[in-house]
Amino acid sequence: QITLNESGPTLVKPTQTLTLTCTFSGFSLSSSGVGVGWIRQPPGKALEWLALIYWDNDKRYSPSLKSRLTITKDTPKNQVVLTMTDMDPVDTATYYCAHRKGTAMGQFDFWGQGTLVTVSS
Amino acid sequence: QTVVTQEPSLSVSPGGTVTLTCGLDSGSVSTSHHPNWYQQTPGQSPRTLIYSTHVRSSGVPDRFSGSILGNKAALTITGAQADDESDYYCVLYMNFGWVFGGGTRLTVL
Repeated sequence: QITLNESGPTLVKPTQTLTLTCTFSGFSLSSSGVGVGWIRQPPGKALEWLALIYWDNDKRYSPSLKSRLTITKDTPKNQVVLTMTDMDPVDTATYYCAHRKGTAMGQFDFWGQGTLVTVSS
Repeated sequence: QTVVTQEPSLSVSPGGTVTLTCGLDSGSVSTSHHPNWYQQTPGQSPRTLIYSTHVRSSGVPDRFSGSILGNKAALTITGAQADDESDYYCVLYMNFGWVFGGGTRLTVL
């Protein structure tokens, strides 16, 4: 059974750096074709893909946020960490991590419950 | 900046058929974009309905189907039920990663 759980601060101040951790079980990030991605959703708004890391350490970033994002993995700990620099109130959102089955042809088939991050002074 | 377009809202009668579409502001959607469709109800995480244009995810009823219609990806719901009332998001694969559409709020009434 695949599960993912996001953790991190619920409140950050503008200009601070956000660090979110996705802790997962039921799969290994050393298995071929597997990835973990981050997707966010501002309150009442649409989903937005942020970043993804594959089993082979290939990393993909949203072009509009690439300069602010870093994604890393700790395979033995079953964790993926996303950092986002220079946080702004417009970054207030629920942040989800999701298991990616397959590369281009695949799907985000398992999602965490999401963690709400508010950016406010 | 790649923009993926969806109808902001649609409605369907119970038992009816509705088609949601997913386009690109510049260019056509094709199978090489491997369209995915996700369903999200309030307060819940998204759930995959369709991936790779037309493949139903595990456990998804066959009243949901995916296709390419003209220059857009499409999600068709045949025999709509009350619990199909949700937000629906498409996502397209690009050479850098993925782009979600703005979502369609489907009302069943």
